[in-house]
Amino acid sequence: DTAVSQTPKYLVTQMGNDKSIKCEQNLGHDTMYWYKQDSKKFLKIMFSYNNKELIINETVPNRFSPKSPDKAHLNLHINSLELGDSAVYFCASSRTTGDSGNTIYFGEGSWLTVV
Amino acid sequence: QKEVEQDPGPLSVPEGAIVSLNCTYSNSAFQYFMWYRQYSRKGPELLMYTYSSGNKEDGRFTAQVDKSSKYISLFIRDSQPSDSATYLCAMRVLNDYKLSFGAGTTVTVRA
Repeated sequence: DTAVSQTPKYLVTQMGNDKSIKCEQNLGHDTMYWYKQDSKKFLKIMFSYNNKELIINETVPNRFSPKSPDKAHLNLHINSLELGDSAVYFCASSRTTGDSGNTIYFGEGSWLTVV
Repeated sequence: QKEVEQDPGPLSVPEGAIVSLNCTYSNSAFQYFMWYRQYSRKGPELLMYTYSSGNKEDGRFTAQVDKSSKYISLFIRDSQPSDSATYLCAMRVLNDYKLSFGAGTTVTVRA
């Protein structure tokens, strides 16, 4: 049973479209994240939610909007997609920070290609 | 200059060799240091974490942290082809949710 699952795994879409990536975790964690990995494999945090509250919002265009309907879900909606949005997006989760907060579990990734 | 610097490689070694990976960082407030392994087309998985300075060993893996030099290392002994992956260092400040990652080093272990 997958701990952090995200859909879709692959997404090819045209510039200007709006798309969503969904994420669910069944680990009982209270913190969830979205990370972006570019073509050079550099992983950078975008957002983090703790108990449905936004706690990290890095410098990300406001075309990106996260939504957390409950502790187990964190979705990412992207408006007006641009070529530069092509990347792999990873959802992740962890317990509240502290020693156990170091164990961040990542999903398998969503490969987004904007054409 | 990035907060965490890591040589992307690639690094190719014969089976059984010792793999040596390292990262340097600029933020002296970092207290937790982690190594993740990422196989192709998969998400990163945590290998080891260390709090503050010192060494930690887990099977064939040894992590070292030298806070005075702002330098961390990961050693893989008796490397196996199954160790072929990208290894990412990551670190964070105490009581902070945000992880700062290195760019990752791609390692290939040749049979």
